[in-house]
Amino acid sequence: QSALAQPASVSGSPGQSITISCSVSTGDFGRNDYVAWYQQYPGEVPKVLIYNVNRRPSGVSDRFSGSKSGNTASLTISGLQPEDEAIYYCSLDTDPHIHFGGGTALKVL
Amino acid sequence: QVHLVQSGAEVRKPGASVKVSCKTSGYMFAFFYLSWVRQAPGQGLEWVGNINPTNGVTDYAQKFQDRLTMTNDTSTATVHMHLGGLTSEDTAVYYCARMDWSGALDSWGQGTLVTVSS
Repeated sequence: QSALAQPASVSGSPGQSITISCSVSTGDFGRNDYVAWYQQYPGEVPKVLIYNVNRRPSGVSDRFSGSKSGNTASLTISGLQPEDEAIYYCSLDTDPHIHFGGGTALKVL
Repeated sequence: QVHLVQSGAEVRKPGASVKVSCKTSGYMFAFFYLSWVRQAPGQGLEWVGNINPTNGVTDYAQKFQDRLTMTNDTSTATVHMHLGGLTSEDTAVYYCARMDWSGALDSWGQGTLVTVSS
């Protein structure tokens, strides 16, 4: 069973870039590209930002990008804006199960 | 436009069971798996299980295996989640979500708060 580890919080100033990591506790992602990232505001429904490691759904800003290397997937937010303050979750589909990271709270200073 | 509309909030006593429904529209019901995800107050997302609407085949997270049942009704494009043996630890918002080909959950219901309290 995969466990995904994320930092509890990250912060950055407007205009900066930040990266949120998502690490697999055992082994690595290998050939599994079914990594997704979600954004959730307090009291709201999660929204998918990235799927298949680095693909963006239509309507998602190109300030959000994803990558994967070894045992770590990453979400990078460039040109940080105040409205980016939210909680971000990574997920991994190991078919048939989905695993979520614990979530990372992003604070825009 | 894809819509997932869930049934309303529920309150149950410990030991009871709850059924939450998720009515879908705006797409071919049989073409996408549906997942259930829950979120306890102040906590992160937790995958509960999936159902294949084409044939009703389900996959559940191991911790729910003995008390969870997911079903689907193709005539109404609705999926149901039935969770029994409730404890206070089951208090959470339960979401249904459509799963795309990559395993990402691309459309979500509004969430259903299930409160377990004596």
